[in-house]
Amino acid sequence: DSGVTQTPKHLITATGQRVTLRCSPRSGDLSVYWYQQSLDQGLQFLIQYYNGEERAKGNILERFSAQQFPDLHSELNLSSLELGDSALYFCASSVGSGQGSGEQYFGPGTRLTVT
Amino acid sequence: AQSVTQLGSHVSVSEGALVLLRCNYSSSVPPYLFWYVQYPNQGLQLLLKYTTGATLVKGINGFEAEFKKSETSFHLTKPSAHMSDAAEYFCAVRTNTGNQFYFGTGTSLTVIP
Repeated sequence: DSGVTQTPKHLITATGQRVTLRCSPRSGDLSVYWYQQSLDQGLQFLIQYYNGEERAKGNILERFSAQQFPDLHSELNLSSLELGDSALYFCASSVGSGQGSGEQYFGPGTRLTVT
Repeated sequence: AQSVTQLGSHVSVSEGALVLLRCNYSSSVPPYLFWYVQYPNQGLQLLLKYTTGATLVKGINGFEAEFKKSETSFHLTKPSAHMSDAAEYFCAVRTNTGNQFYFGTGTSLTVIP
């Protein structure tokens, strides 16, 4: 158990809908990272937040957004969902801002299925 | 820019045989290198990491990796494969000036009894 929690574990929704994925980092970790894992794209970095502020942006679509709250949990919002958004979404956390040798700790993931 | 290449998306070994999973990276500055393992329906778990110092790094479950700067490689090895090693393995790199992880495309390891 990495200490990172994600809810829900599974999510099935229809095209055009909007969903929110939630992540709680390990106790003491200030950074949260979001990743999308699909069969054809592999593991893609979406976005990082550090202590409530956006720190780095990867291949995140404009239909997707995220935020980190004062209690350090984070939410990833996916809107106008398309079939191609079906994937595993992982959250990871780390102690610092991400620089340096510290590793990321991954949550169990949320499996999103868009029908 | 940094990138990671994992040669071989699928590797099969017999139980008890040597495991060798290849990872090459490109980085213009000294890298930090990581290997993660993902078991079915689970998140990624850190196996080992290289930061500075000794180039041979030992990780969990009997795995180790050697950082070879001249070859820009960080291959993962285990002397004797066990059935429980069947999983997806990811190599990742981050530089000491950046905060983003760059992951390889993964190698699926199958262990044949």
